[in-house]
Amino acid sequence: EPEVTQTPSHQVTQMGQEVILRCVPISNHLYFYWYRQILGQKVEFLVSFYNNEISEKSEIFDDQFSVERPDGSNFTLKIRSTKLEDSAMYFCASSEAGRGNGYTFGSGTRLTVV
Amino acid sequence: GENVEQHPSTLSVQEGDSAVIKCTYSDSASNYFPWYKQELGKRPQLIIDIRSNVGEKKDQRIAVTLNKTAKHFSLHITETQPEDSAVYFCALTDPGQNFVFGPGTRLSVLP
Repeated sequence: EPEVTQTPSHQVTQMGQEVILRCVPISNHLYFYWYRQILGQKVEFLVSFYNNEISEKSEIFDDQFSVERPDGSNFTLKIRSTKLEDSAMYFCASSEAGRGNGYTFGSGTRLTVV
Repeated sequence: GENVEQHPSTLSVQEGDSAVIKCTYSDSASNYFPWYKQELGKRPQLIIDIRSNVGEKKDQRIAVTLNKTAKHFSLHITETQPEDSAVYFCALTDPGQNFVFGPGTRLSVLP
């Protein structure tokens, strides 16, 4: 079964540093997403991406965040100048269409900011 | 934006009993309602979903019911087993087709 792959599985970074979280969506999927889950809390939408541009972003996704699809396979989330409160599990997801069809989550990257 | 409420926040049942988790929402435009199971430290896994043109869907021990008029949908697990213990999230798609998740229910199945 096709999978969404995320690397690294765990990232520890110093406060103020930049991090890049990487995702390889399922190959025939066209819509890509990042979600965040603070420990013990619900999964929160960050951003959706389609046709090489951001479709929608939440209020969490401020200027500190950016996404990029640098080549045909990778989809990255960059967090500039990390803060302690950025510590969370970050999930990438992809879907064939933007309507919940074949919506698949990656295994997540646990980001710890110290 | 869309708000999803989920109850109860924690639920303990004896093995073999049934468990029911209910979610309510506010945006009548939502038309896709998945349920996810999340084990500790792992990704949310889709266990069942329902679309707005269907009132009930069943897959073995798991069923979901949807009442669009009342804007609520529920997850039903019958004959619970210890491996059903996890956090369950309801979700729906907002007008932008992005997922909005409920706050989760921690289900504990006691042997």
